[in-house]
Amino acid sequence: EAGVAQSPRYKIIEKRQSVAFWCNPISGHATLYWYQQILGQGPKLLIQFQNNGVVDDSQLPKDRFSAERLKGVDSTLKIQPAKLEDSAVYLCASSQQGWDTQYFGPGTRLTVL
Amino acid sequence: EDQVTQSPEALRLQEGESSSLNCSYTVSGLRGLFWYRQDPGKGPEFLFTLYSAGEEKEKERLKATLTKKESFLHITAPKPEDSATYLCAVQAEGTYKYIFGTGTRLKVLA
Repeated sequence: EAGVAQSPRYKIIEKRQSVAFWCNPISGHATLYWYQQILGQGPKLLIQFQNNGVVDDSQLPKDRFSAERLKGVDSTLKIQPAKLEDSAVYLCASSQQGWDTQYFGPGTRLTVL
Repeated sequence: EDQVTQSPEALRLQEGESSSLNCSYTVSGLRGLFWYRQDPGKGPEFLFTLYSAGEEKEKERLKATLTKKESFLHITAPKPEDSATYLCAVQAEGTYKYIFGTGTRLKVLA
């Protein structure tokens, strides 16, 4: 069974630029999550989707971050404009349903200069 | 407020030297507690789920236990390949969100 796929793996941008990340969850998984992991910290949930609807986006900085999950399968997370403090690893995870175990992708390491 | 604290932050062991990692949590009703392993440059890899106090799970050299306030990850006779960061997360009743601790960085020396 294929795992969670993410791209790109690495991205370097200047502050105030825009960036987008892509995630394809495990086949059949209804729930998709985006996490931010700053160096030395645990992952922090940004947004959770159930199929193509948002369940929790309480910690998403909505003035600069946006996410969508069209057709209830893959998802994109966008940052516009980026700030220096957005430098982090962005992890995507999926689960069969919201109460099931979450499985993580390899992450995208973002560096904002 | 739901909270997870892991200790120690870092741990160095000699190969074969058994030890335990601690995960203390405060949550308004526990739905589940999860242990993950994270290697540098990779996403967290699922290890165990524990649901109720007294529950234990084992996998190779790892054993996870759960009480009402904390969980332990026991590592028996570790090998260098067990070197990684071990993350603990809790999921509260009524929500699907995971609250992660900051992890324990384990280094096993040959």
